[in-house]
Amino acid sequence: AQTVTQSQPEMSVQEAETVTLSCTYDTSESNYYLFWYKQPPSRQMILVIRQEAYKQQNATENRFSVNFQKAAKSFSLKISDSQLGDTAMYFCALVIGGADGLTFGKGTHLIIQP
Amino acid sequence: DTGVSQDPRHKITKRGQNVTFRCDPISEHNRLYWYRQTLGQGPEFLTYFQNEAQLEKSRLLSDRFSAERPKGSFSTLEIQRTEQGDSAMYLCASSLGPSWDGYTFGSGTRLTVV
Repeated sequence: AQTVTQSQPEMSVQEAETVTLSCTYDTSESNYYLFWYKQPPSRQMILVIRQEAYKQQNATENRFSVNFQKAAKSFSLKISDSQLGDTAMYFCALVIGGADGLTFGKGTHLIIQP
Repeated sequence: DTGVSQDPRHKITKRGQNVTFRCDPISEHNRLYWYRQTLGQGPEFLTYFQNEAQLEKSRLLSDRFSAERPKGSFSTLEIQRTEQGDSAMYLCASSLGPSWDGYTFGSGTRLTVV
């Protein structure tokens, strides 16, 4: 079975600051994928970024980047130049290659202060 | 295309009643997923369809739960004899490719059992 742990229930930073959200996971599989999903208040969850475990290069999407440490089973999300619209719940998730259901962490509530 | 649509947005029901939710995926997406999200938790995988075939069911999907996707388009999730513990957000997602390509989520149906 897979587990995903997000140890920061809530974080708050000032607009334009950089913030890092932590995620650790556990799996015995070698072929897997990791994700960060964003769930804004009362809106649907959207995919922020994904990482294939077999790729050593960290994924980046504009202001969002990850620090993937495979040996440590760590997958943190860095948001640069944070904006008010980044306020949301952020979920780390994992799926095993060939499987269908994602395993999500409990989420981190990120608040961007003006 | 308006994305993944879920109906209703909110449902309040009395314990013991049956409820049914509907999900309309993105039209060209042949894969459809149901998740349950309780307060303070991340989404938990319930079941997965590829076209009309239900290919995977989680242990969370008790005998009181049934899901269908009769023509490979929209899907329904029915809960019979609802219990207070069924109170949650029920999320639907769809994808064109496998899970590791990422999903498009709907806004969810919030069920309250009183």
